Amino acid sequence: DVKVTQSSRYLVKRTGEKVFLECVQDMDHENMFWYRQDPGLGLRLIYFSYDVKMKEKGDIPEGYSVSREKKERFSLILESASTNQTSMYLCASRGTVNGYTFGSGTRLTVV
Amino acid sequence: EDQVTQSPEALRLQEGESSSLNCSYTVSGLRGLFWYRQDPGKGPEFLFTLYSAGEEKEKERLQATLTKKESFLHITAPKPEDSATYLCAVHPFGNEKLTFGTGTRLTIIP
Repeated sequence: DVKVTQSSRYLVKRTGEKVFLECVQDMDHENMFWYRQDPGLGLRLIYFSYDVKMKEKGDIPEGYSVSREKKERFSLILESASTNQTSMYLCASRGTVNGYTFGSGTRLTVV
Repeated sequence: EDQVTQSPEALRLQEGESSSLNCSYTVSGLRGLFWYRQDPGKGPEFLFTLYSAGEEKEKERLQATLTKKESFLHITAPKPEDSATYLCAVHPFGNEKLTFGTGTRLTIIP
């Protein structure tokens, strides 16, 4: 089975801190994605990457950046964390038949 | 713009009481429609992919169907362990993005 691993389940950060969320997949997939999930809003795409060093903005990229230096790793960066970035962050890797495979999520709280 | 609407938002059923969840969608060209299950505090878990109208897929007590405008997730004789949020998403042609609905929170009462 494809495994998508997010480095942290829970994070608490202070306003203004630079935050790194890491995601690793083990199936050699080209496409990787970062979503955030908020009650009543569903999953919203922040950024995605279709190859090493390639990235595309999703629907809500403001305040975020990404890095993909290796195929298996896709990092989400909050340049200066703010309280409105408190959310569940989900990383996903796309296969062919089965759509996306998601990680278990990182619950980020910015205080 | 692609849109996905799921109904109802929440559904409470007695154990053994069958029902259906609805996913209505608008998409320029449908490459695939996905159903996911999500437990609290966890990432979505893949259930089904449907590609064309008339297609049906089954897994244990779940059956998913697809028409040109909507998909149904039917649950037969549910058990408490089927309690979760069920998410629907569409994958359009020419686009790597999935568009998700906001989900149906299903609670099965013993």
